[in-house]
Amino acid sequence: GAGVSQSPRYKVAKRGQDVALRCDPISGHVSLFWYQQALGQGPEFLTYFQNEAQLDKSGLPSDRFFAERPEGSVSTLKIQRTQQEDSAVYLCASSLAEENEQFFGPGTRLTVL
Amino acid sequence: GNSVTQMEGPVTLSEEAFLTINCTYTATGYPSLFWYVQYPGEGLQLLLKATKADDKGSNKGFEATYRKETTSFHLEKGSVQVSDSAVYFCALIRYGGATNKLIFGTGTLLAVQP
Repeated sequence: GAGVSQSPRYKVAKRGQDVALRCDPISGHVSLFWYQQALGQGPEFLTYFQNEAQLDKSGLPSDRFFAERPEGSVSTLKIQRTQQEDSAVYLCASSLAEENEQFFGPGTRLTVL
Repeated sequence: GNSVTQMEGPVTLSEEAFLTINCTYTATGYPSLFWYVQYPGEGLQLLLKATKADDKGSNKGFEATYRKETTSFHLEKGSVQVSDSAVYFCALIRYGGATNKLIFGTGTLLAVQP
């Protein structure tokens, strides 16, 4: 596709539910980043993939957060047993290589009730 | 650690006014500096960047100069338009670290009135 796409664009979950957020990066982009943007804040790094390898997951806030990119293209961010503090916009970005410009998707707005 | 501080908004200007959004950073070594823009309902877009001291990034009439002595990267535009209304984020990457992740400021909302 022309850009990074994310789905769903909006997700409402009840507290305790599991959610899965999808990111389709630009074709051919090796690097993929996930960021979390709380309301009124700047995005904060969650995790980084180079192809299928998750090289950095230092930003994941708890072991309820899990990300994968099994074939080195599409990535899924999974949040188990969602809590209200997980409410945020989750942004995905991809780049040709780690040092190149990151292109962002539109984000998924997660609301946990 | 590495961090970015930018002026709080909202910034409200009339069309054709001069814009400055302040940004300062704290980082070890020599980071690259960025301004991203987020238009309503859209994703983050790179507006401009500078990779070393005294570099000036420019795009769409916006410009910012990498000032190492003041650790600043202020965004300026000489004459804003209504279409510039958006949230602006200052950010840095400290290359050579574990991951080339972007570190963002909290964002500044700009509202331009006709």
